Amino acid sequence: GESVGLHLPTLSVQEGDNSIINCAYSNSASDYFIWYKQESGKGPQFIIDIRSNMDKRQGQRVTVLLNKTVKHLSLQIAATQPGDSAVYFCAENSQTSGSRLTFGEGTQLTVNP
Amino acid sequence: EPEVTQTPSHQVTQMGQEVILRCVPISNHLYFYWYRQILGQKVEFLVSFYNNEISEKSEIFDDQFSVERPDGSNFTLKIRSTKLEDSAMYFCASRLYWSEKLFFGSGTQLSVL
Repeated sequence: GESVGLHLPTLSVQEGDNSIINCAYSNSASDYFIWYKQESGKGPQFIIDIRSNMDKRQGQRVTVLLNKTVKHLSLQIAATQPGDSAVYFCAENSQTSGSRLTFGEGTQLTVNP
Repeated sequence: EPEVTQTPSHQVTQMGQEVILRCVPISNHLYFYWYRQILGQKVEFLVSFYNNEISEKSEIFDDQFSVERPDGSNFTLKIRSTKLEDSAMYFCASRLYWSEKLFFGSGTQLSVL
């Protein structure tokens, strides 16, 4: 079946470095993507989204890149801070999946001071 | 900022008992969802609800599960006869349109003993 998955389960960076979290998806009909941050014991928190008609979108300290050719999504966090430590999930929507948002496995980001 | 609220935050129940998890979605949203997350795993879709009816459900959402929107503000998930494997964090979510940001509540941790 269709799936959304992540390349690496864990990522450890030094405070101040840039972080890149990757996500692969298999549904070529996916047309809307979201990155979520989840801290321990909390619900997923929206970070940034991107539609399939775009390649790049920037937010505050975050950038999402979409490569439809290879079905790859990445989240870049600039000047990573200890407060960025969390699990990051990508999720996708497509017309073929109706209104459900399908989540990937998650990457644990640890920021070392 | 508007948010999705869920009650209770924790629910402990005996196997075979019925539980009702409650949610108040963001007021102008039209699409409502329940997701669950078993500890350490990804967020799994259970059901979506639109226009006062279920629009989509996953294989997990069997006859033991039901959802209701009893009034203009609440959205509930009922599990009729809980099983040990129903133990998980249950998240309610809402969005304005099916391809827009999905906002999550802080979750109800359900423990079935």
